[in-house]
Amino acid sequence: AQSVTQLGSHVSVSEGALVLLRCNYSSSVPPYLFWYVQYPNQGLQLLLKYTSAATLVKGINGFEAEFKKSETSFHLTKPSAHMSDAAEYFCAVSDKYGGATNKLIFGTGTLLAVQP
Amino acid sequence: DTEVTQTPKHLVMGMTNKKSLKCEQHMGHRAMYWYKQKAKKPPELMFVYSYEKLSINESVPSRFSPECPNSSLLNLHLHALQPEDSALYLCASTPVQTSSGNTIYFGEGSWLTVV
Repeated sequence: AQSVTQLGSHVSVSEGALVLLRCNYSSSVPPYLFWYVQYPNQGLQLLLKYTSAATLVKGINGFEAEFKKSETSFHLTKPSAHMSDAAEYFCAVSDKYGGATNKLIFGTGTLLAVQP
Repeated sequence: DTEVTQTPKHLVMGMTNKKSLKCEQHMGHRAMYWYKQKAKKPPELMFVYSYEKLSINESVPSRFSPECPNSSLLNLHLHALQPEDSALYLCASTPVQTSSGNTIYFGEGSWLTVV
């Protein structure tokens, strides 16, 4: 079974500082990996996804993630944090259920706080 | 347009009430999902419909009853709920599931409080 692990349930950075949110995956086959963001009292919005086309994936709002097979990692980064980046971030892996149906398996989430 | 619309945004119901949550998408997606999310937790899959047929039920109690009347609509009927069922209920959809790389699009969710 596939799974993802997010290291750090809470991350706090200063405005303008580098954002690094960690995600490691466990998969016996090449995985499809996703990062979603959830702003307070809202649903989930896709930031970016890895589907094996390129190891460095650029997403919305200046975020990017690099797939590293040797480290089984898919960490999310942003060079300069903005106050509006404060949110919950979920890493997820897509899996087939019953051989046909997609389902997302989520990590436990990382709450990003941005200090002024 | 990548929009999944959920109504109502907020719902308060008593334990003996019957209510429904509604979800609509017009992206031509043929798979639709219900997820439940408790505070400070990741979403948990409840049901999946594929081509308007129920394909996954993650051992959800029968007080939750899903319905997919057509390819654009997904309902979740609620009856005799418990206070611990209070949560954010998220609807989602994705295109035909030929690839695990398809994006699953989420709605804004319906906040349910059971009193």
